[in-house]
Parts: sequence; C-alpha cells; structure tokens
Amino acid sequence: NAGVTQTPKFQVLKTGQSMTLQCAQDMNHNSMYWYRQDPGMGLRLIYYSASEGTTDKGEVPNGYNVSRLNKREFSLRLESAAPSQTSVYFCASGGLGNTEAFFGQGTRLTVV
Amino acid sequence: AQSVTQPDIHITVSEGASLELRCNYSYGATPYLFWYVQSPGQGLQLLLKYFSGDTLVQGIKGFEAEFKRSQSSFNLRKPSVHWSDAAEYFCAVGTTNKLIFGTGTLLAVQP
Repeated sequence: NAGVTQTPKFQVLKTGQSMTLQCAQDMNHNSMYWYRQDPGMGLRLIYYSASEGTTDKGEVPNGYNVSRLNKREFSLRLESAAPSQTSVYFCASGGLGNTEAFFGQGTRLTVV
Repeated sequence: AQSVTQPDIHITVSEGASLELRCNYSYGATPYLFWYVQSPGQGLQLLLKYFSGDTLVQGIKGFEAEFKRSQSSFNLRKPSVHWSDAAEYFCAVGTTNKLIFGTGTLLAVQP
C-alpha cells in the first residue's frame, strides 16, 4: 500500500530550467494538492484539484502549472525555475471536508 | 476567506510537562479541523480531527484537542510530553474543496 508517491525526492536546478514533479496516489481519492513548505510559513497551497479534470489556484500559484492527468496522478511543473522556488514540495490527496489528507514524503528542490 | 492562525512559532517544554498548542481558525461554515505532526525530514501525519459531535477529540500518541466554537479555536493538548514528541505541529481547516494549514508550531522538548 504505497499511499502518495512523489518523485523525485531531491532536485537541483539552475535558474531558468524547467522540471516536473510527479505525484501519484493509490487511494482512489478525488482531491489532490500541491503545497510548498518554507521555514516559518507553514504549508502554502500552490494548486489543488478537487476532482479529476479540474484544477484551481491556491495561495501561491505564480510560476507553476499543474496537470491532473487522471484520478491517480497530479503533476506540478516549473516552466522557468527561480531561486524563490527553492522549497520543499509536498503532494497530498484526500482531505476534502472531514476526510484525512495523506502526504507524500516531499521533494526538496534547490534552484541555484 | 478561510484561514488558520497558530500564534506560537516555537515552544519549548520539559519532558513530563503538559503541553498546549494554540490554533484559531476563520471559516464561515462548520469547520472540519485537523492537527498534523511533522517529524524532521518527513511528511505529515494526522494526529486527530474534529468535524461534529463531542468537542473534545482524542488522537494518537496521547494527544487531544478541544473545539470551542465561541472562540474559533481548536487547541491541541497533551498531559505529559515525551522527548519523541519534538516535531512541528500544524493545525488545518478542511473546506468543501481544499485543505488550509497554519504556519506551524515547532516543539522542542528539554530533558
């Protein structure tokens, strides 16, 4: 039972490079999320997908795009990475209403 | 707009002492409230949740939380802290379409 799987775990990018963070869940959840975690700022919502085929902006969407490929997968793309995007990124699924959200182990991204 | 406030950024307690972590929320409808814990380098784990019924909820690892609608609060408590409780704690509110977190409280435990 894998839960929420994120890849990669670590990544270093140069400014201006692009990359896609992958996330997959095997719990048949409708909702999926991407958060970034920075010291002293908690988890800030980047984008979310309440159901397959829908995506919405969260609190800090600038510089990111997402794709809800199917019910299982929700990817986050950085088109042109900037040092301000250095962060730990978490994918989660579930968490609508009173249901528990399950988190991946995170991706530590450094943009130099 | 929905929001969650955790006023304490960092708390230090002695092992065996009691603990209370504060959480205030802003949400127009009935809130679904959660506490998550994050150990260093790890993802988040659910400690407990509230969505209706008894306002005092029990969670894992000996934690409990009390929902007070009049104060818009959902404070986390533990009667006796263990060294292994050192971690970061996040309060969250679940709405109909998303989950919003507070900024977290980092708990340090002194021997």
